[in-house]
Amino acid sequence: DIQMTQFPSSLSASVGDRVTITCRANESITNFLNWYQQKPGKAPTLVIYAAYSLQRGVPLRFSGSGSGTDFTLTIGSLQPEDFATYYCQQSHTSPPTFGGGTKVDVK
Amino acid sequence: QVQLQESGPGLVKPSETLSLTCIVSGSSMRGFYWSWIRQSPEKGLEWLGYSYFSGSTKYNPSLQSRVTVSVDTSKNQFSLKLTSVTAADTAVYYCARRTDKGDWRLGNFFDHWGQGILVTVSS
Repeated sequence: DIQMTQFPSSLSASVGDRVTITCRANESITNFLNWYQQKPGKAPTLVIYAAYSLQRGVPLRFSGSGSGTDFTLTIGSLQPEDFATYYCQQSHTSPPTFGGGTKVDVK
Repeated sequence: QVQLQESGPGLVKPSETLSLTCIVSGSSMRGFYWSWIRQSPEKGLEWLGYSYFSGSTKYNPSLQSRVTVSVDTSKNQFSLKLTSVTAADTAVYYCARRTDKGDWRLGNFFDHWGQGILVTVSS
């Protein structure tokens, strides 16, 4: 299985901050990388697919980049509703696998 | 508006079979891959398997011998069976729709999820 590693595992930030989360695969997954947001007690929701494509309805402050093994999710200006845990997921090779998550909380 | 809703027992005894159903509304089942994913503190998010609307299936090799996913397009629902459960199978189980974009370069992703159901394995 392809191993997905996210860092940091948690970070503290303030409203208005620019936040960057990193995801690394242990082998190349080209651009087949998705990002999800999960709030406590809720299911994950899709934020970014194919590394940089914004899911419909997701605010433009979210962006994704990267290819190969290294990817980033950036929140341009953190809003109160963005405090959550974010997961990356590779869809390059079955079985699809997820990173361990990055929790974004209030500084 | 696409909605998925899991249902089934929240408590299963060790060595028994875990059975869950996911009812799909607001979406045809045609053209999609209907998946089960679980989440636990120990293993994080783990994909279990899918059934395409046509009935073809694929499973996580780590669970291959114990998991079955099936689709009933006439009822707009699909199901999960996991046999010989142990405490390690305790998790929140999600059903999810996998969408494959028409452009292969965009890959596939889970764009709709159920709310999740906690299943505890205990005697």
